[in-house]
Amino acid sequence: GAGVSQSPRYKVAKRGQDVALRCDPISGHVSLFWYQQALGQGPEFLTYFQNEAQLDKSGLPSDRFFAERPEGSVSTLKIQRTQQEDSAVYLCASSAGGAITEAFFGQGTRLTVV
Amino acid sequence: AQTVTQSQPEMSVQEAETVTLSCTYDTSESNYYLFWYKQPPSRQMILVIRQEAYKQQNATENRFSVNFQKAAKSFSLKISDSQLGDTAMYFCAFILSGGGADGLTFGKGTHLIIQP
Repeated sequence: GAGVSQSPRYKVAKRGQDVALRCDPISGHVSLFWYQQALGQGPEFLTYFQNEAQLDKSGLPSDRFFAERPEGSVSTLKIQRTQQEDSAVYLCASSAGGAITEAFFGQGTRLTVV
Repeated sequence: AQTVTQSQPEMSVQEAETVTLSCTYDTSESNYYLFWYKQPPSRQMILVIRQEAYKQQNATENRFSVNFQKAAKSFSLKISDSQLGDTAMYFCAFILSGGGADGLTFGKGTHLIIQP
């Protein structure tokens, strides 16, 4: 596609509910990143994929967070048993190389946990 | 761990003026990359400019230029002839080259407002 696409744009979840956030990267991009951006803060790194391999998940805040990219293209970030502190914008980015090359970001999913 | 500090939460200038956004970072490594990203209200982060630490020459992209001071660990962004469309959040970001980290480390951002 022309750019990185994320869906849904907005998600309201009740505390304890499971959510799944989708990211469609730019076609052919090897690298895919997830970031969490709390209100008024800069994005924070969550996890990194190179093709289908999850090479770094050091930023995932708890074992309730899980990400996958089974065929090396579309990625899903899943949050189980959502908590209020999970409320944030979740940004996905892709790049042709690694993180030192230009990353193209999607518009993010704003998750609100009530 | 690397840290990035942006000390100006908000700045406001008149259209056509020049504005400089500050960024400092902390690392003990010598090989890394620095970035400035723009985030308009649409939330989509857009790369403004990129600097490789081993290059002494400051990067420039049209109206955007940086002042990279490696010894001082400073990486400021200068926007010349500012335009209304430059209004956005600006984030400074850092990453080590050659492994050790796979994601960018961002500052907290500066909200830049261009007044007509």
